[in-house]
Amino acid sequence: KAGVTQTPRYLIKTRGQQVTLSCSPISGHRSVSWYQQTPGQGLQFLFEYFSETQRNKGNFPGRFSGRQFSNSRSEMNVSTLELGDSALYLCASSIREITDTQYFGPGTRLTVL
Amino acid sequence: AQKVTQAQTEISVVEKEDVTLDCVYETRDTTYYLFWYKQPPSGELVFLIRRNSFDEQNEISGRYSWNFQKSTSSFNFTITASQVVDSAVYFCALSDTTSGTYKYIFGTGTRLKVLA
Repeated sequence: KAGVTQTPRYLIKTRGQQVTLSCSPISGHRSVSWYQQTPGQGLQFLFEYFSETQRNKGNFPGRFSGRQFSNSRSEMNVSTLELGDSALYLCASSIREITDTQYFGPGTRLTVL
Repeated sequence: AQKVTQAQTEISVVEKEDVTLDCVYETRDTTYYLFWYKQPPSGELVFLIRRNSFDEQNEISGRYSWNFQKSTSSFNFTITASQVVDSAVYFCALSDTTSGTYKYIFGTGTRLKVLA
């Protein structure tokens, strides 16, 4: 069974731009979560989607948004990029609940210049 | 408040030594879940174990074992006879419904270096 895939793997953007990251979960998994990992703040939960609805949310500003499609694939969008948004963005999928075992993708490394 | 503390920032051991990684958590929920993940240099988080708050049995999986003690709010992870391939950053995580929705909180991680 294929694992979680994320595209692109690397991105370089400039301040003020917006970016969209994509995540394809493991087949049959309906919950998709997003995390931000930085050296300073560590791993932080962004949000979780299930059945095309945001079900749980972390403490990030509204510039961070996401969506989920009917095939469970998910996208994350960051608008008006700031230097501090430079991070590794990880996507994870689980069968149904965020408390189920989560399987992580390789991440997208975003650099904001 | 919801919190996960991994006080050990970095540990270095020589191959074949046993090593224990500490994890202390805080939650007001009676139902919660604890996890351990491994992040090798490649960057991808690898799931190791999931434990719910009602299951205090210790678990052993090969060279890995976990000690869950609700009385001390700890969920420690021991690697027996460590190997160089165990070198990675290990994260402990907590998921509960503090504030009404599920949140997933990671500790700051412990970097384990196993020297040949």
